[in-house]
Amino acid sequence: EAGVAQSPRYKIIEKRQSVAFWCNPISGHATLYWYQQILGQGPKLLIQFQNNGVVDDSQLPKDRFSAERLKGVDSTLKIQPAKLEDSAVYLCASSSTRGRVVNEQFFGPGTRLTVL
Amino acid sequence: GESVGLHLPTLSVQEGDNSIINCAYSNSASDYFIWYKQESGKGPQFIIDIRSNMDKRQGQRVTVLLNKTVKHLSLQIAATQPGDSAVYFCAEKGKLGGYQKVTFGTGTKLQVIP
Repeated sequence: EAGVAQSPRYKIIEKRQSVAFWCNPISGHATLYWYQQILGQGPKLLIQFQNNGVVDDSQLPKDRFSAERLKGVDSTLKIQPAKLEDSAVYLCASSSTRGRVVNEQFFGPGTRLTVL
Repeated sequence: GESVGLHLPTLSVQEGDNSIINCAYSNSASDYFIWYKQESGKGPQFIIDIRSNMDKRQGQRVTVLLNKTVKHLSLQIAATQPGDSAVYFCAEKGKLGGYQKVTFGTGTKLQVIP
């Protein structure tokens, strides 16, 4: 079974530029998550999708961050404009919601963003 | 507010010894507590979870203990191996409206000494 795919793996941009990240979850997983992980910290949830609907985006800085999952499969996360403090690893994860309670989230390798 | 945190940021253990990684939580309404392992350059990987109405759960070489009285969670790794070297995160899962939200703690780095 293929895992969660993310691209690019690394990105370096200047502040005030824009950047987009792409995620393809595990096939059949209805729930998709975007996390921000700053060095030395645990992942912080930015947005959670259930199919193509947003479940939770309370910690998404909506003035500069946006995310979509139009067809309920893959997703993009965009930052426009980027700030220095956005330097972090952006993790995508997916999970299944079928039947029994499922606590396991499957994470992609992440995109390491450096804002100069 | 809600928080999940760890007592020790770094833990060094001799290969073959048992490891104990601790975590404190504050949200007594959480339904599940979950442990993840994150190796360098990779995303977190699920290890084991425990429901809030349990106090112990065992997996392969790992045991999670939950003490709701003091809001404390621990992960025990038996016969620690070099491949166990990683950062370990505890996380709690609770209801957010009609859905479940997972909140991660800050992590403990486990270093296995050969």
